Amino acid sequence: AQRVTQPEKLLSVFKGAPVELKCNYSYSGSPELFWYVQYSRQRLQLLLRHISRESIKGFTADLNKGETSFHLKKPFAQEEDSAMYYCALGATGTASKLTFGTGTRLQVTL
Amino acid sequence: DAGVTQSPTHLIKTRGQHVTLRCSPISGHKSVSWYQQVLGQGPQFIFQYYEKEERGRGNFPDRFSARQFPNYSSELNVNALLLGDSALYLCASSSGPSSYNEQFFGPGTRLTVL
Repeated sequence: AQRVTQPEKLLSVFKGAPVELKCNYSYSGSPELFWYVQYSRQRLQLLLRHISRESIKGFTADLNKGETSFHLKKPFAQEEDSAMYYCALGATGTASKLTFGTGTRLQVTL
Repeated sequence: DAGVTQSPTHLIKTRGQHVTLRCSPISGHKSVSWYQQVLGQGPQFIFQYYEKEERGRGNFPDRFSARQFPNYSSELNVNALLLGDSALYLCASSSGPSSYNEQFFGPGTRLTVL
């Protein structure tokens, strides 16, 4: 069975501090991992995916198959990063079913 | 393009009733997926349709059904509503059927069952 765990419901950091949003997954096959973000009063949108290995808005995430993790990181938090972040797992080669975690609310304060 | 659109925005029903939710994908997208998001939880996969055929089904009872039309828009139907069906229902469209294809989400329909 596919499962995604985001252990923190809320993460509060100061502006300029490093951010790490944790995500662990459980899947027997070859995983596809994504981070989705939802800003206040906006729709859910893709932030980044592990296959593209790029940095979006200063965020990066590395897939660690040994630890079954896909943590989201940013070296210096900005106020505009405050949002709800969801880690999601897709099953390779099948339908576009995504299994989402419960989400972590990131709150960046001055 | 306005992106993925969903109607209605909000809906209030009573237990036992049925409901139909509608979704229009981004122009050119042939895949539509439906998700249920209960308060405090992440979205949970219900269905995916691609080229008018069901490509995936989540762990939901048979009270939930969906279909996709020739113009690729989609309907989600829920019969015999229960209080537990109260949730935000999200529709997502993508250009292709697999999870490699980026999914674009609509604003959702908020269903309240009394």
